[in-house]
Amino acid sequence: NAGVTQTPKFQVLKTGQSMTLQCAQDMNHNSMYWYRQDPGMGLRLIYYSASEGTTDKGEVPNGYNVSRLNKREFSLRLESAAPSQTSVYFCASSDRDGYTFGSGTRLTVV
Amino acid sequence: SQELEQSPQSLIVQEGKNLTINCTSSKTLYGLYWYKQKYGEGLIFLMMLQKGGEEKSHEKITAKLDEKKQQSSLHITASQPSHAGIYLCGADPGNQFYFGTGTSLTVIP
Repeated sequence: NAGVTQTPKFQVLKTGQSMTLQCAQDMNHNSMYWYRQDPGMGLRLIYYSASEGTTDKGEVPNGYNVSRLNKREFSLRLESAAPSQTSVYFCASSDRDGYTFGSGTRLTVV
Repeated sequence: SQELEQSPQSLIVQEGKNLTINCTSSKTLYGLYWYKQKYGEGLIFLMMLQKGGEEKSHEKITAKLDEKKQQSSLHITASQPSHAGIYLCGADPGNQFYFGTGTSLTVIP
C-alpha cells in the first residue's frame, strides 16, 4: 500500500547511545518532515526537507540530524540520546493535496 | 511561527453525547486540517477546510472553519467508543506544517 513507512516502531536506548530512525515514502512527494509528539505539547517539527537535497531546521532541532538520502527517504539521527528525547516520532510527506503520516516510532531513552 | 491552541485539552463523555473541540490560531487561517490519532497508530486524516465558512461532514463528525475568528471547530454527534483518541488540528501557512496542542477524547460506554 502506498504511504509512509517508518522503522523501527519501538526502540529503547541507553543514554548516550546513537540510532537512526528510517522513513520512506512511495508517493513521489517532494517534501518530508520529522515530528516529535509529547503529552500536552502536540506535534513539534524537528526538521523538514522541502525537496531532495535540502534540509531545514524546525522548531526543536537540537540533538538531531537528518539526511535526505533521495526523494523517497528521509532519516533522523540521534547521535547521543538523552532522556529528554523520549517521545513518539512521526515522519510525514506532503504534496499539494495534503499530508501523509507514518505510524510513528515510540522511543524511550533510559 | 503559527500557534494552534486546542480546547479542551481532554474530554470524557458518555456514549451517545455530542461534543465539540475547538482550534484557535494565532494567525490568519488559510486552511485547516483535522487528524485523529489512536494509541499505537499513526495519524488519520479526517478532513481539510480551505475556505472561510466552509463546513464538512464525514459520518458523525462535522468541522467548520471561521476565518474571521481564526478558529475551527470539530463536532461529534452521538459519540461512540470508536471516536476515542487524540484529535489534532493542523495548518500549513507556507512550507511548514503546524499542529495544535491536541485534545484527548474518552468515550465511556
